[in-house]
Amino acid sequence: SQQGEEDPQALSIQEGENATMNCSYKTSINNLQWYRQNSGRGLVHLILIRSNEREKHSGRLRVTLDTSKKSSSLLITASRAADTASYFCPLIQGAQKLVFGQGTRLTINP
Amino acid sequence: DTAVSQTPKYLVTQMGNDKSIKCEQNLGHDTMYWYKQDSKKFLKIMFSYNNKELIINETVPNRFSPKSPDKAHLNLHINSLELGDSAVYFCASSQPAGATDTQYFGPGTRLTVL
Repeated sequence: SQQGEEDPQALSIQEGENATMNCSYKTSINNLQWYRQNSGRGLVHLILIRSNEREKHSGRLRVTLDTSKKSSSLLITASRAADTASYFCPLIQGAQKLVFGQGTRLTINP
Repeated sequence: DTAVSQTPKYLVTQMGNDKSIKCEQNLGHDTMYWYKQDSKKFLKIMFSYNNKELIINETVPNRFSPKSPDKAHLNLHINSLELGDSAVYFCASSQPAGATDTQYFGPGTRLTVL
C-alpha cells in the first residue's frame, strides 16, 4: 500500500516554539495534503501543495515539497496549545482513496 | 452549519447485535466515504460512493453494508457485531470534479462492542 510516512511519530515542544514534521512517500504524486486530527475529533484539511509547487503558506503553516526526494515538511510557527493534535499526510490512490500513515503526534506544552 | 455530520456520536452495543451509523453532508459533494480508525489510530478507507454508486469497496467483511439513499447521505449498517468492530468510524465527502482531492470529515462515531 502506498502511503505517506510521517516522521517523527511523536513530537513535544513548548508553546511558542516552532514545530516541524516530515512526510516521505514512494510514488509519484499530483499533490500532497496535510490533515490535522485533534483528540476525539474528525480530521481537518490544513493545506494542499501541488507537485509543481515548492512551498506554500497558510497562516502559521508552511509546507514544502521536494518531489526529487519524495518528501514534504510541515512547519507550524509560534505553536499554541490548540495545535496539539496528530498530523497526517495521506496520499491519493486510485479513485480518490486517501491512504493514511500513523501520523505525527504533536504535543504543545504550556 | 455542520458540513459533514454523523449520528450517533457514541454507540455501545453487545456482540451479535445489528447497528447503523448515519452520515449526511450539506456541501453538495458527489462523493462520500467511510473510514475506520482502530485503537492504534490507523485510519483506513472502507467504502466510497460517487453519486449513490459504489466505487471503492476495500476488503471489508460483508457484515458491513453501506447504503446511499441520495448523494447527500451515506449510511453504514453493521450486522452481527464483533468485538473487533470496536473503533471510530469517520464519514467524509469530497468533490473530485473540483480536482483538489480535499476530503471533509465528520466528527466520528465511536463504536464499542461489548
